Amino acid sequence: DVQLLESGGGLVQPGGSLRLSCAASGFTFSDSSMQWVRQAPGKGLEWVSAITSSGDRTSYAASVKGRFTSSRDNSKNTLNLQMNSLRVEDTAVYYCVGGGVTARKFDPWGQGTLVTVSS
Amino acid sequence: DIQLTQSPSFLSASVGDRVTITCRASQGISSSLAWYQQKPGKAPKVLIYAASTLQSGVPSRFSGSGSGTEFTLTVSSLQPEDFATYYCQQVNSYPLTFGGGTKVEIK
Repeated sequence: DVQLLESGGGLVQPGGSLRLSCAASGFTFSDSSMQWVRQAPGKGLEWVSAITSSGDRTSYAASVKGRFTSSRDNSKNTLNLQMNSLRVEDTAVYYCVGGGVTARKFDPWGQGTLVTVSS
Repeated sequence: DIQLTQSPSFLSASVGDRVTITCRASQGISSSLAWYQQKPGKAPKVLIYAASTLQSGVPSRFSGSGSGTEFTLTVSSLQPEDFATYYCQQVNSYPLTFGGGTKVEIK
């Protein structure tokens, strides 16, 4: 079965850091662009970042650029999101997602991991 | 950035109704639009991509149409399991953006 499993969420103080990971299985991870999408409590979906299949290029939403860094390890089928200088407004469920512009869709989706930024 | 405006933001309908949701893009995006369904506490799932291509496993009562700046998602006969929130998304250019969502509730 195709599966994306996020980990690393939790409670962090404003200004702190957190590293999310996503373990992929059931598909050829190294062939797939990957994304992070977040959803604040009770709000809509917000695209956060993208990384190419080889990991040589990344893109970020303006709201996180310079603070978040996406990376991947194709030998371990793992996607990571390093989040620094966290703000209260970064509080959200973070989803790891496959696909992107080339695939013309986001699929599959992980179950999400909750990040709460609060003092 | 490309803005996506969904309408309506809320829709009350009955089982068996035909339902249409509209998504308008602030600039032309060809057919680079996808539709997602999200139920409470769950991750979104793709229904339609490339504006009108039905994702494998999605019931045929769902259909998508449009190109350029105006798109629609239609559910031909609403079923109990279709009550959810629906989002459009443009995959034409970064930053990739989502519409604000349409919540479909039971009348």
